[in-house]
Amino acid sequence: EIVMTQTPLSLSVTPGQAASISCKSSRSLLHSDGKTYLCWYLQRPGQSPQLLIYEVSNRFSGVPDRFSGSGSGTDFTLKISRVEAEDVGVYYCMQSIQLYTFGQGTKLEIK
Amino acid sequence: EVHLVESGGGLVQPGGSLRLSCAASGFTFSDYGMNWVRQAPGKGLEWLSYISGDNAAVYYADSVRGRFTISRDNAKNSLYLQVNSLRVEDTALYYCARDLAKWGRGTLVTVSS
Repeated sequence: EIVMTQTPLSLSVTPGQAASISCKSSRSLLHSDGKTYLCWYLQRPGQSPQLLIYEVSNRFSGVPDRFSGSGSGTDFTLKISRVEAEDVGVYYCMQSIQLYTFGQGTKLEIK
Repeated sequence: EVHLVESGGGLVQPGGSLRLSCAASGFTFSDYGMNWVRQAPGKGLEWLSYISGDNAAVYYADSVRGRFTISRDNAKNSLYLQVNSLRVEDTALYYCARDLAKWGRGTLVTVSS
């Protein structure tokens, strides 16, 4: 099983400031088809998870451009350029190269 | 618009069974693989099972293989999860998700004596 490790587990950010979350996988997520199967989700309080980013850096439909993903191989990062109040929630990374595994989640709060 | 509605959750004793359902609308159901994911109270997300659009491929997480069975009825636009031999640690909100991009709101399963 591929293990996904997120850091930090929580962060508190001032509105308008940037935020960054790291996700590391226990093996490479680069597939032989050339794609890297890593995505990011946001679960707002009391809501279902919503897909933000797929294949490392592709924003899903309707996701604001202040969200960006980067990385390769086993190391990945989600960045929020200017945090807004609506960004509060828990962020999860997930690998889908070998079935599916989620990271532990990172709780983002507003200062 | 994609719409997924789970049902069938409830309170069940350890060792009991439930059949969870997910009604899909707003897309051609048979064209998409479907998943079940659960979230224990205050915990993170755990993928459970996947079934391909044509029923040809089925996968399970090790934690539920042999106890849970995923199925679908494309004629009824419905996804199912038969959950047997339930344990206290199976208590969770169970979500269905279309290709893990669109999610329902979940159905709560509580296992308690």
